Amino acid sequence: NAGVTQTPKFQVLKTGQSMTLQCAQDMNHEYMSWYRQDPGMGLRLIHYSVGAGITDQGEVPNGYNVSRSTTEDFPLRLLSAAPSQTSVYFCASSSGGPSNQPQHFGDGTRLSIL
Amino acid sequence: SQQGEEDPQALSIQEGENATMNCSYKTSINNLQWYRQNSGRGLVHLILIRSNEREKHSGRLRVTLDTSKKSSSLLITASRAADTASYFCATDAGSGGSNYKLTFGKGTLLTVNP
Repeated sequence: NAGVTQTPKFQVLKTGQSMTLQCAQDMNHEYMSWYRQDPGMGLRLIHYSVGAGITDQGEVPNGYNVSRSTTEDFPLRLLSAAPSQTSVYFCASSSGGPSNQPQHFGDGTRLSIL
Repeated sequence: SQQGEEDPQALSIQEGENATMNCSYKTSINNLQWYRQNSGRGLVHLILIRSNEREKHSGRLRVTLDTSKKSSSLLITASRAADTASYFCATDAGSGGSNYKLTFGKGTLLTVNP
């Protein structure tokens, strides 16, 4: 039972490079989201999706794009990486809205921007 | 923005002792959740308490909610070394806000010494 799978686990980028963080879940969850976790800041919501074809912005969306073409996958794209985007990124999913349903988290992608 | 704040930031106890962590938030909520994060891993859901509940138990966990004080506490009884982790509270935006956005606090780092 894989749950939420994030790839890669680690990545180092140079400023200005682009990349896509992958997230896949096998629980048929409608709701998926991306957070970043920085020291002393807790988790902050970047983008979320309530189903295939529907996405919306969270608290810190600038510099990130998302799309949701299937229920299973919710990739996060960094268009032009900046040092301020150095962080640990977590993907989460739930069967309904996160206010009422437990969130299932992946183990994160640790991203460093040089 | 709506945010839970955990207190203390760090807590160190001996195995077998009880651990209490507190969470305060700013505006009314529908539900409050507690999550655990082991080092290098994603968050794991522990318990959800609704705004009309005052206390909830799950195994060695006891959560209380005082909506008049806008605060919650998480008690772990008879702690074990395996309980060493960071603990986060997460709140929603209440009846006037989105069901799709959770706000996490900065967490309490619990260390249980053998």
